[in-house]
Amino acid sequence: AQSVAQPEDQVNVAEGNPLTVKCTYSVSGNPYLFWYVQYPNRGLQFLLKYITGDNLVKGSYGFEAEFNKSQTSFHLKKPSALVSDSALYFCAVRDLSGSARQLTFGSGTQLTVLP
Amino acid sequence: DGGITQSPKYLFRKEGQNVTLSCEQNLNHDAMYWYRQDPGQGLRLIYYSQIVNDFQKGDIAEGYSVSREKKESFPLTVTSAQKNPTAFYLCASSISLGGNTEAFFGQGTRLTVV
Repeated sequence: AQSVAQPEDQVNVAEGNPLTVKCTYSVSGNPYLFWYVQYPNRGLQFLLKYITGDNLVKGSYGFEAEFNKSQTSFHLKKPSALVSDSALYFCAVRDLSGSARQLTFGSGTQLTVLP
Repeated sequence: DGGITQSPKYLFRKEGQNVTLSCEQNLNHDAMYWYRQDPGQGLRLIYYSQIVNDFQKGDIAEGYSVSREKKESFPLTVTSAQKNPTAFYLCASSISLGGNTEAFFGQGTRLTVV
C-alpha cells in the first residue's frame, strides 16, 4: 500500500524567510511524488513532481522540492516566502510498481506567511 | 480554454434526496477521478475511471455512484444512502491512469445537507 504523511498541520513563516513544508511517503517500489496547492474554496493546482533523475525539482511560483530516498521524504521549499503563498499544500504519491495506480494524498499543511 | 468544469459551485440537498454533481473536461484526458475533501482529512478517493464505460470504486465509494458514458463527462451522484454527504467535492482528470502524469482539478462543488 502507498501512503503519505504531512506531519505538520500548520506552518507559519515570516515574509522573506525561507519556508519548508514536510512530506514523507511509503511505497513498496519507486515513487512518483507530487505537490499541489489549494486556495480557499478552489481546486488543487499542480506545483511540481518528481519522476526520476535530479533529486532537486523546480516548479511553479519559485517552489522547489528535494527528493531524499534514504529518508523517504519530499519536502517542499521556497527561499523567500510571500504573503500570497499562504494556502493549503498537499503532497501526493503514486507507487510505480503498485497495483493502485491512482494518487494518494496527504492530509495537507496550512501555510501562513506573516507580513 | 482547456480545463475541468464542475457545476454547480454550491449545492444544497435535503435529507433523503439524491443529487448529481457535474464534471466536464476538454483536455482529452482518458482518466477521471472524484475526491471528497473534509477539513483535516485531505482528499479521499470516491471513484475513478480509466476509460469510457469503465469505472472503479475508490476508498469511500459507499453511498455514491458514477457513470462514464462520454470521455468528457464523469458525473457523480450522491445518494440518500450516503449518511454524511456535507463536504467539498473535487473532480480531476489526467492523461492516463498511473504513470508520471499529474492530475488536473476542477474548482470544486460544496455540498451541504439542509
